[in-house]
Amino acid sequence: GEDVEQSLFLSVREGDSSVINCTYTDSSSTYLYWYKQEPGAGLQLLTYIFSNMDMKQDQRLTVLLNKKDKHLSLRIADTQTGDSAIYFCAESKGNAGNMLTFGGGTRLMVKP
Amino acid sequence: ETGVTQTPRHLVMGMTNKKSLKCEQHLGHNAMYWYKQSAKKPLELMFVYSLEERVENNSVPSRFSPECPNSSHLFLHLHTLQPEDSALYLCASSQDEFRGEQFFGPGTRLTVL
Repeated sequence: GEDVEQSLFLSVREGDSSVINCTYTDSSSTYLYWYKQEPGAGLQLLTYIFSNMDMKQDQRLTVLLNKKDKHLSLRIADTQTGDSAIYFCAESKGNAGNMLTFGGGTRLMVKP
Repeated sequence: ETGVTQTPRHLVMGMTNKKSLKCEQHLGHNAMYWYKQSAKKPLELMFVYSLEERVENNSVPSRFSPECPNSSHLFLHLHTLQPEDSALYLCASSQDEFRGEQFFGPGTRLTVL
């Protein structure tokens, strides 16, 4: 199976919270990342978490890490239409430095 | 703007053509990356360069040939491509190959006819 897995699609209403989930298989992952890709653009780093942390909050974004279950989530509070994009989870493997393995991406659609 | 630029943004080529993709970073980074993003697969790492030396070649066919003349520029030379090579090719850079977040360019949308 894939090293990093994400659901394909999420639809929310403007103002609601969005939760995008990711599972990974490599227990030696050191950093886990969330990237955002808008149409026609490259990937933009949103936030990252070190593997010895459980949670990280950055304004509207909250990252939760369950290392035991190898589960990562990104919560976006007060979701706006400008948050509509594809969100990629990625891990850097502990023995391979900065080499990233990406999930397939979750397309977030925010309805007015 | 992430400080990483790619040209051209769109490219259409025949299977017998030779073309090159260019990436330039203005961030003073030492590591640069090529990724392939196709519709049906997760983002795939193709090549990694650190201080102009290739440190990773992720089983990429020889019809893709990278070149890194200095730490600010990265090229991907293309020849005798196949239609399945049509994809978005993304360049990224980071402080070095061991650490630092990766900053991505906008990508080149390649179509092989």
